[in-house]
Amino acid sequence: AQSVTQLGSHVSVSEGALVLLRCNYSSSVPPYLFWYVQYPNQGLQLLLKYTTGATLVKGINGFEAEFKKSETSFHLTKPSAHMSDAAEYFCAVSKETSGSRLTFGEGTQLTVNP
Amino acid sequence: KAGVTQTPRYLIKTRGQQVTLSCSPISGHRSVSWYQQTPGQGLQFLFEYFSETQRNKGNFPGRFSGRQFSNSRSEMNVSTLELGDSALYLCASSSRLAGGNEQYFGPGTRLTVT
Repeated sequence: AQSVTQLGSHVSVSEGALVLLRCNYSSSVPPYLFWYVQYPNQGLQLLLKYTTGATLVKGINGFEAEFKKSETSFHLTKPSAHMSDAAEYFCAVSKETSGSRLTFGEGTQLTVNP
Repeated sequence: KAGVTQTPRYLIKTRGQQVTLSCSPISGHRSVSWYQQTPGQGLQFLFEYFSETQRNKGNFPGRFSGRQFSNSRSEMNVSTLELGDSALYLCASSSRLAGGNEQYFGPGTRLTVT
């Protein structure tokens, strides 16, 4: 069974600082990987996804993530945090044989301090 | 294009009652998935429907059921409600039944069971 682990349930950064949210996955087959963001009282919004090809994936709002198969990681980064980035972030995995089914990590709450 | 819509947005029910939640996918999308989000268990997959057929099912009791109509709209039903069913129920739609496919989430229905 595949699983996703997000290291750090809460991450706090200063405005303008680097954002790094960690995600590790376990999967017996090459997975598809996603990052979603959830703002209060809203659904999930897709930030970026990795399926095949280039391992550095660029998403919306200046976020990017790098797929590292050797480390089974898919960490999310943003060079400079903005106050509007404060939200909860979820890493998720799916595989070809499971349809659209996503398995999510526990989530990381990002706080951005002025 | 209109996004995924879910009705109602908020619902309060009593233990033992049943509830039906509705989801209208993005126009042209034929896959609808349902997820339960709670503080303790996080985001968990309930089931996925494609072309009116359930294609994937998560690990939930039989009290949780769903269906999909010919216009791709989907409903989720929970019978004999328990306090632990209090959660945010999210619906997601996608154009294909395939891993790696982008899913678009609705704002969710917040169910409170008293």
